[in-house]
Amino acid sequence: DSGVTQTPKHLITATGQRVTLRCSPRSGDLSVYWYQQSLDQGLQFLIQYYNGEERAKGNILERFSAQQFPDLHSELNLSSLELGDSALYFCASSVGGLPGSTEAFFGQGTRLTVV
Amino acid sequence: KNEVEQSPQNLTAQEGEFITINCSYSVGISALHWLQQHPGGGIVSLFMLSSGKKKHGRLIATINIQEKHSSLHITASHPRDSAVYICAAAHNTDKLIFGTGTRLQVFP
Repeated sequence: DSGVTQTPKHLITATGQRVTLRCSPRSGDLSVYWYQQSLDQGLQFLIQYYNGEERAKGNILERFSAQQFPDLHSELNLSSLELGDSALYFCASSVGGLPGSTEAFFGQGTRLTVV
Repeated sequence: KNEVEQSPQNLTAQEGEFITINCSYSVGISALHWLQQHPGGGIVSLFMLSSGKKKHGRLIATINIQEKHSSLHITASHPRDSAVYICAAAHNTDKLIFGTGTRLQVFP
């Protein structure tokens, strides 16, 4: 158990809908990272928050947004869903704000299926 | 060409064999991570290294900064080692760039 909790584990929704994925980091970790893993793209970095502030942005679509709350949990919002958004979405957390220099702990992922 | 390349893409081994997975990168890095993803999908961080060699149980990770190459070795492989192994380069500390993964199957 990594200590990172993601909910829900599975989500099936229709095209055009909006969903929210939730992540609770390990106790004491200030950084939260979101990653998308699709069959054809592998793992892709989406966005990082550090202590409530956006720290780094990757290949995140404009239809997607995230935030980190004062209690450090984070939510990833995906809207106007398309079939191609079907993927595993991972959250990871780390103590520091630099993904290169600190070990990250991953949640179990949320499997999103858009039908 | 991907900035992080792994080889082989797929690997099959008999229980007890010594296994090597390779990772080459073309970007400047501050650290290299090895991750393990089990069939259920969960990801576990195995190593983070910026120089030399690290060992944890039957797993050994090495990195050669000059050659921009890292290897993950598994000694005395076991069926429970079956998983996808992913290397990720920490590029200038601000993001991780992932390899496409090596799918390992170890048969009894």
